[in-house]
Amino acid sequence: DAGITQSPRHKVTETGTPVTLRCHQTENHRYMYWYRQDPGHGLRLIHYSYGVKDTDKGEVSDGYSVSRSKTEDFLLTLESATSSQTSVYFCAISVTGTKRLYGYTFGSGTRLTVV
Amino acid sequence: TQLLEQSPQFLSIQEGENLTVYCNSSSVFSSLQWYRQEPGEGPVLLVTVVTGGEVKKLKRLTFQFGDARKDSSLHITAAQPGDTGLYLCAGDLTQAGTALIFGKGTTLSVSS
Repeated sequence: DAGITQSPRHKVTETGTPVTLRCHQTENHRYMYWYRQDPGHGLRLIHYSYGVKDTDKGEVSDGYSVSRSKTEDFLLTLESATSSQTSVYFCAISVTGTKRLYGYTFGSGTRLTVV
Repeated sequence: TQLLEQSPQFLSIQEGENLTVYCNSSSVFSSLQWYRQEPGEGPVLLVTVVTGGEVKKLKRLTFQFGDARKDSSLHITAAQPGDTGLYLCAGDLTQAGTALIFGKGTTLSVSS
């Protein structure tokens, strides 16, 4: 199993403050992803990374930025938190084989509340 | 916008009953995954299907990939309370996994 650790597990923050969520993996996987999960919307991709300093936007990237300075760490930053960003955030890595995807391994999530 | 429609959204059944969850799209997928998620945790991969018409079994769970690779189903035989959870399907539009789209999920509750 890929070791994926998300921190913090829970956070309450005030509107307008910056927030950074961390995802750490231990198995040198190239691709890492940030999703948010909301009732009625399911899992939606925010940003993903395909290598150190290589990132791209997902479906719901507005208001978020990411950085990946080391293979093992993928950071998600809410530049100025809003109540609409209250959600559960999941980090994931993709496990791939020869020419195909086996699946994703997810972290345990960060529950973020913006008040 | 690529869509993956999952049905039903909610399912509440008694222990021992059978059930089927459906996942449908107009898009063709290179693979499709099914995940199960418990409260407070991330989704956990159950199975990946790749070939059109493929059937995979995992104990009492049977997964089928449509011939055209646009749809899939999950059938649970003799459901147990331990099967309770959120079931998610996810389709891969590429082979690199960078365009994985998720259905909104089916919340299954099995009572004893």
